[in-house]
Amino acid sequence: NAGVTQTPKFQVLKTGQSMTLQCAQDMNHEYMSWYRQDPGMGLRLIHYSVGAGITDQGEVPNGYNVSRSTTEDFPLRLLSAAPSQTSVYFCASSYSGEDGYTFGSGTRLTVV
Amino acid sequence: EDQVTQSPEALRLQEGESSSLNCSYTVSGLRGLFWYRQDPGKGPEFLFTLYSAGEEKEKERLKATLTKKESFLHITAPKPEDSATYLCAVHWWRSSASKIIFGSGTRLSIRP
Repeated sequence: NAGVTQTPKFQVLKTGQSMTLQCAQDMNHEYMSWYRQDPGMGLRLIHYSVGAGITDQGEVPNGYNVSRSTTEDFPLRLLSAAPSQTSVYFCASSYSGEDGYTFGSGTRLTVV
Repeated sequence: EDQVTQSPEALRLQEGESSSLNCSYTVSGLRGLFWYRQDPGKGPEFLFTLYSAGEEKEKERLKATLTKKESFLHITAPKPEDSATYLCAVHWWRSSASKIIFGSGTRLSIRP
């Protein structure tokens, strides 16, 4: 039982490049979310999903896309990286959305 | 405006010195208030969910309480290993959309 697995752990991108952050969970959780964490600003919700095939926007969705083709996987795509997207990204999953979320260990992204 | 505020931003205690952390919120229709612990370089670790005013939950030296507008995380006789950032988050629904806001956290340091 690995919980929530995020890859890669570190990534450096050039402005304008695209990439996908991977997130997988093995707990059969329906709810999955992506957050970014910036100093002094706390965790902010980017996108979330309440089940396979269903996604919705969070607080800061611009510049990011998601899809949920399976219960296990919830990748986050950066379409055209910008320095403002330099951050630590966390994926999280929950059984019902109203109980606690299990977080991954994060991806530290730097855009230069 | 929907808001979650944690205080203090930082707290330094001597080992064994009990204290409380505060999380105040202004959302309406609360579905749950979460407390998490986050160690440097790691993802948040779930501690508690509180659902209604008057509810209390305990785990080792931690006790979380909830009123209609705030939650407290009481730490009794803390040890150095309790040093971490403690985050609270509130969850509610608006127009069929799931909403969640995290506070900026309280950095707790326990001196031996």
